[in-house]
Amino acid sequence: EVQLLESGGGLVQPGGSLRLSCAASGFTFSSSTMGWVRQAPGKGLEWVSVITGSGGNTYYADSVKGRFTISRDNSKNTLYLQMNSLRVEDTAVYYCAKDTPQGGSFDYWGQGTLVTVSS
Amino acid sequence: DIQMTQSPSSLSASVGDRVTITCRASQGISRWLAWYQQKPETAPKSLIYAASSLQSGVPSRFSGTGSGTDFTLTISSLQPEDFATYYCQQYNSYPRTFGGGTKVEIK
Repeated sequence: EVQLLESGGGLVQPGGSLRLSCAASGFTFSSSTMGWVRQAPGKGLEWVSVITGSGGNTYYADSVKGRFTISRDNSKNTLYLQMNSLRVEDTAVYYCAKDTPQGGSFDYWGQGTLVTVSS
Repeated sequence: DIQMTQSPSSLSASVGDRVTITCRASQGISRWLAWYQQKPETAPKSLIYAASSLQSGVPSRFSGTGSGTDFTLTISSLQPEDFATYYCQQYNSYPRTFGGGTKVEIK
């Protein structure tokens, strides 16, 4: 059974940093493109970033480019999102998600972790 | 970036109704489109990928059609568990983008 478990969310001040983690199990992690999607309170889904299985390629939404860094440790089956220079508008539930084997869409999602940026 | 526009933004329907949601891309995306369902306070669930391929375990009352810029998600006979918000997402190019969502409510 595929499981994705996010952690690391919390309250942080504007300009601060936070690192999210996503522990994966139940599939071959190193072969899977993984990503992050966020959802601000009461709003729709926003695609944030993805990383290929080897970690060799990363992609970002314009809204987070230069501030967020996606990475992975295939020896630990764990995905990360390092978030720097956080803004109030980054407040959201952050979901970890796994790409389908065909690539491009997400077939499994974690339960999400809440990040609140506020002074 | 490719913009995804869903319509309507919300709709009211009854159990047993046929429901259709549309999604339009600002430029052609071939068939690189997915649909997701999200219920309140829960993570999204994948329904369809490649415009018309059903994810494993998804009921056959859900179907997707379209290519290029215009796509539809159809629920052939709405069930009580289908009341939720539905999102489309393109993955033709980065950044991947979602539509704004369509909330399906009980009439």
